[in-house]
Amino acid sequence: DTEVTQTPKHLVMGMTNKKSLKCEQHMGHRAMYWYKQKAKKPPELMFVYSYEKLSINESVPSRFSPECPNSSLLNLHLHALQPEDSALYLCASSLREMGSNQPQHFGDGTRLSIL
Amino acid sequence: GNSVTQMEGPVTLSEEAFLTINCTYTATGYPSLFWYVQYPGEGLQLLLKATKADDKGSNKGFEATYRKETTSFHLEKGSVQVSDSAVYFCALSDPFTDMRFGAGTRLTVKP
Repeated sequence: DTEVTQTPKHLVMGMTNKKSLKCEQHMGHRAMYWYKQKAKKPPELMFVYSYEKLSINESVPSRFSPECPNSSLLNLHLHALQPEDSALYLCASSLREMGSNQPQHFGDGTRLSIL
Repeated sequence: GNSVTQMEGPVTLSEEAFLTINCTYTATGYPSLFWYVQYPGEGLQLLLKATKADDKGSNKGFEATYRKETTSFHLEKGSVQVSDSAVYFCALSDPFTDMRFGAGTRLTVKP
């Protein structure tokens, strides 16, 4: 069992829909991350939150909107996505943000399909 | 900038064979090095780590030694099992950059 919980596990949505991905951890970690992973590729960093503040946005299109309501929760709001956005979306957390050489703990991801 | 290069595979082995997956890195400072494993349908799991030169990380029979002189962190296991079939990612992080992942190596172990 992973200590980072992501919901839903699978999501199919049309290009005009609005949906949200959720991530939760109770390890007291203060850094949380969103990654996008395409098939047979490594994860690509999208966003980093440190102490509930957005610290890194890797030039992600505005149709992806992250939110960190508190230190345990991380959301990714989706709107007007494109077929090329179909991928596995991974959430991760670490004790502190990058720069501390801490390992990251990953959830099992949300498999997103855009019709 | 920092980067990780690992053999892409795929690698196919028979059960109980010896495994080596090569990983080399480029970094300006003194990074920490990691191996993550991703089983089908799951996220990445930390397999082992090493934080300084000559450290050896080990877990579940897997080992990797942080070699500063060759900038390498090769993953080894003496006797693989079918259950080791997965994708393995080498990664590094340092005080100034986010986690950098290698391309991943798919391992298939046949009975």
